[in-house]
Amino acid sequence: NAGVTQTPKFRVLKTGQSMTLLCAQDMNHEYMYWYRQDPGMGLRLIHYSVGEGTTAKGEVPDGYNVSRLKKQNFLLGLESAAPSQTSVYFCASSYSSVGNTEAFFGQGTRLTVV
Amino acid sequence: AQKITQTQPGMFVQEKEAVTLDCTYDTSDPSYGLFWYKQPSSGEMIFLIYQGSYDQQNATEGRYSLNFQKARKSANLVISASQLGDSAMYFCAMRGSGTYKYIFGTGTRLKVLA
Repeated sequence: NAGVTQTPKFRVLKTGQSMTLLCAQDMNHEYMYWYRQDPGMGLRLIHYSVGEGTTAKGEVPDGYNVSRLKKQNFLLGLESAAPSQTSVYFCASSYSSVGNTEAFFGQGTRLTVV
Repeated sequence: AQKITQTQPGMFVQEKEAVTLDCTYDTSDPSYGLFWYKQPSSGEMIFLIYQGSYDQQNATEGRYSLNFQKARKSANLVISASQLGDSAMYFCAMRGSGTYKYIFGTGTRLKVLA
């Protein structure tokens, strides 16, 4: 069972470089999310998607873009990386119905911007 | 707006003892779900337990139970008979019926002492 898979697991970027983080899920979930985790701040929502072709902003969207061209994939882009974007990034997915539907998480991507 | 508050940055507990991790929440949604996740040092997010706002009984999953007090807007996690493997970061999260998003607290780092 693959579940939610994030690529890559680690990355070091120089300030100003761009990159794309890929999230893939094989559970046919409608909803997908990108979070960042920073010490003492918990998980903060960057962007999310409620279905193929849709995206929406979360709490901390500045400096990031996303796309969901296929239901199973959710991409997070950094156009011009900044040191403030050094963080651990988590992708998650869930079913659309409210209730006992927990979010399933990928293993995380540790990004360092120097 | 929805908010999750975890006021205990760190906790210690003796092995085999019980421990309570605090979580309070704020929402205007009439229906919502409350979740607890465990994050060990390896970094993955592990779902532990769920409580629905209309559930009459407190949720239990093995050694985990959720002390749900709706009037006080609290959803504390109780871990009974603590084990060394319980040492981890614990996050409380909420998802309302009117939103697609999971909102997380800042987490509590639990250390179990031998």
